This record gives sequence, C-alpha cells and structure tokens, in this order.
Amino acid sequence: EAQVTQNPRYLITVTGKKLTVTCSQNMNHEYMSWYRQDPGLGLRQIYYSMNVEVTDKGDVPEGYKVSRKEKRNFPLILESPSPNQTSLYFCASCPTGGPYEQYFGPGTRLTVT
Amino acid sequence: GENVEQHPSTLSVQEGDSAVIKCTYSDSASNYFPWYKQELGKRPQLIIDIRSNVGEKKDQRIAVTLNKTAKHFSLHITETQPEDSAVYFCAASKGNNDMRFGAGTRLTVKP
Repeated sequence: EAQVTQNPRYLITVTGKKLTVTCSQNMNHEYMSWYRQDPGLGLRQIYYSMNVEVTDKGDVPEGYKVSRKEKRNFPLILESPSPNQTSLYFCASCPTGGPYEQYFGPGTRLTVT
Repeated sequence: GENVEQHPSTLSVQEGDSAVIKCTYSDSASNYFPWYKQELGKRPQLIIDIRSNVGEKKDQRIAVTLNKTAKHFSLHITETQPEDSAVYFCAASKGNNDMRFGAGTRLTVKP
C-alpha cells in the first residue's frame, strides 16, 4: 500500500530533550516536506527536500533540522525543543521535484512541557 | 516571500447550497495552486489543483478558478453535502520549492 508514515504519532517531552520524528514514504517520491499546523495559522512549511542530499528552509525553520540521506526517509530533528514547538506536525511527499500533489502522513502531535 | 490570505475563516451553508472560498496571493511568480480538505482528526488531502496556464478546472461538484491578473483563486463546491464539512486550505507555490498555505476555512454543511 502506497503511504507516508510518521513515528511517533504522539509525543510528550520536556524542554531541551532532543527528539527525532521519523517520516518514511514507499512511493519513490522525490520531494518531501515537513509542516507544522497550529490553530488559526494553517500549515506552515518547516523544511523541504527536492531530492537526496538536497534540503532547504521553508517558512519557519528555526529550531529544527532535517536530513535526506535516503530517498524514502526525511527525519525531523528538534535538538532542544521548547514549548513554542508544541504543535501538530505533518510530513508530506510528492512524486516530482516540486510540491505538486502532496501526500500527507497521519501527523505527529508533539507537546513540549 | 509569498503570502496567502484565505476568506472566510468559517462558512456555514445549508445542504444543497453552494459554497465559495477565496484566496489571494502576493507573489506573481506563483504558478501552482492546490486545495486541500482536512476532516477532523485526519490528514490534509488534495482535492483539486490548478496551474497558472489554466483559468478554471472542474471535478464533479468542485471547481477552482484562477485570476492571475488579480492574483486570486477560488474554490467552488456545488450541491453541498454534510460530508463536505471540513477545513479547507488553499496554497500557492512557484512549483520548485516552498509551499505557502492559507489559514483555512471551516465549512459546515447543515442537513
């Protein structure tokens, strides 16, 4: 089954404790992206990757890191999480090098206390 | 950078009526305009998109129109049904990099 998966789906952590949210797609898609969703703000792009080893900042990259060592995986790293990073996070992928027809993962709800 | 504004933030219609959601964008270089539907507790799903070389696109009960001169695009849903109730997001992109979303419209279709 073609899909985008994220893990974990729910996470409660404390300020400053490094964490990684994994994202994986099995559709051989080139483009992958991370978004955060906050009430009243819609979806805001954090980072995107047009292909392996190619990543770039989106609208709100501060406090986040990403890597794209393999085509299928695009982990999101929070080196020192803060309460303002409490949010719902979505990973997405699409078949071309640009953000056309994005398929979203199920989301990861992160709470930083 | 690109700025996308979406109106209204909430919309309530009677079943069978039409619903229209409007978005404006700021960057004239944007050339791809998708619409996503997000049901409660679910992931966003693409419902329709349009590229800048097309003025209108239809898919059954939904349609999107694009006015490049005015830099706005709209989603039209006809013969609304209760299952159309969701949050709808517009977005804009230059096609090879970032994607900017509107803040969303919560559509409620009353039976």
